[in-house]
Amino acid sequence: GQQLNQSPQSMFIQEGEDVSMNCTSSSIFNTWLWYKQDPGEGPVLLIALYKAGELTSNGRLTAQFGITRKDSFLNISASIPSDVGIYFCAGLYPRGSNYKLTFGKGTLLTVNP
Amino acid sequence: DTEVTQTPKHLVMGMTNKKSLKCEQHMGHRAMYWYKQKAKKPPELMFVYSYEKLSINESVPSRFSPECPNSSLLNLHLHALQPEDSALYLCASSHQQGAQAGYTFGSGTRLTVV
Repeated sequence: GQQLNQSPQSMFIQEGEDVSMNCTSSSIFNTWLWYKQDPGEGPVLLIALYKAGELTSNGRLTAQFGITRKDSFLNISASIPSDVGIYFCAGLYPRGSNYKLTFGKGTLLTVNP
Repeated sequence: DTEVTQTPKHLVMGMTNKKSLKCEQHMGHRAMYWYKQKAKKPPELMFVYSYEKLSINESVPSRFSPECPNSSLLNLHLHALQPEDSALYLCASSHQQGAQAGYTFGSGTRLTVV
């Protein structure tokens, strides 16, 4: 199946710092999605990217769909304590007549107040 | 209503029990999914339903049996599970399969098999 390589695996930062994480793959994806998951909850969609080269913002979050359609990054500016959680990239790709959403391994973000 | 509702939130079952997980959405989505998530791991796809028909089964053991009674409901019937099946089971839905707008996830059912 399609593999997503997400890095870093974990980050420890101070409140107010900027954060960057990325995902790469050897395969092409139609859509890149970035989710955040809090403990005991399901993933919540942060940003969806549809076109190669697309740069999209959602408040303090910015994400880009790589030109080659094989990578994406997520930036968080001016981090706050509630940014703590696991961030997953996810790629959507066709599989036969169906589609499949596959996830990266996640980035665990810890923000020290 | 923009939510996917899963019940129960927690479930403890013995290896000989039969139980069911339930998922409901009223967003008019026609694709629904079951994912399994182990601790500190990403969600892994189990099943996809599109227009109430099973379209993807990711080689899931038969002790997991999905059912889609109508366009708003998705069940996962459990029978003779093993302790290693303990995990967070997530339901998700999307406008249609492969919807680029992304999938909406429920909060999950935390399953413990004893």
